[in-house]
Amino acid sequence: TQLLEQSPQFLSIQEGENLTVYCNSSSVFSSLQWYRQEPGEGPVLLVTVVTGGEVKKLKRLTFQFGDARKDSSLHITAAQPGDTGLYLCAGEETSGSRLTFGEGTQLTVNP
Amino acid sequence: NAGVTQTPKFRVLKTGQSMTLLCAQDMNHEYMYWYRQDPGMGLRLIHYSVGEGTTAKGEVPDGYNVSRLKKQNFLLGLESAAPSQTSVYFCASSGQGATVEEKLFFGSGTQLSVL
Repeated sequence: TQLLEQSPQFLSIQEGENLTVYCNSSSVFSSLQWYRQEPGEGPVLLVTVVTGGEVKKLKRLTFQFGDARKDSSLHITAAQPGDTGLYLCAGEETSGSRLTFGEGTQLTVNP
Repeated sequence: NAGVTQTPKFRVLKTGQSMTLLCAQDMNHEYMYWYRQDPGMGLRLIHYSVGEGTTAKGEVPDGYNVSRLKKQNFLLGLESAAPSQTSVYFCASSGQGATVEEKLFFGSGTQLSVL
């Protein structure tokens, strides 16, 4: 199983601040997905990145896939309380059909 | 749209008891998965199925069994529950596996406590 490490594990910031969450591995992934999970619910997909160096934007969220497809980052600009949640990265293993999840980053945005 | 439905939502067991978690999806998906989520450890794959009648082991299969007798249902069984199996269990499904073109649809989870 290929491993993914997320950092930081916990992040508490004030509304309006910017933040970056990292997802790192020593292994190469075919693609990488970012999910957001709210309490009492399952994760919901935000984005999938496929190509090394790819950057995708979703409103105030910017996702980047590393050139070597071993790491990814999620940057949130001007965070809002509604961004609060658990952010999970998940890599598609090169063997296909399975995702490996990182430990998650618990983000709290305070009003 | 129901999507992925898990039952029950909460359950408390005593050590040694058995139980079955039910997952049902109405999207005609081929692939179904069972994950467990523990603090600081993210989601770990227990078992998965690539189609009706098939099952395969994931990352942490010990102590669990699964069955996929019908395409829409994926059952997770605990034959003799242990405190280490206290966790939140998530079922997920996808059309063609965890590929670029597909995403996982998750249920809302089952909180299981083993005393």
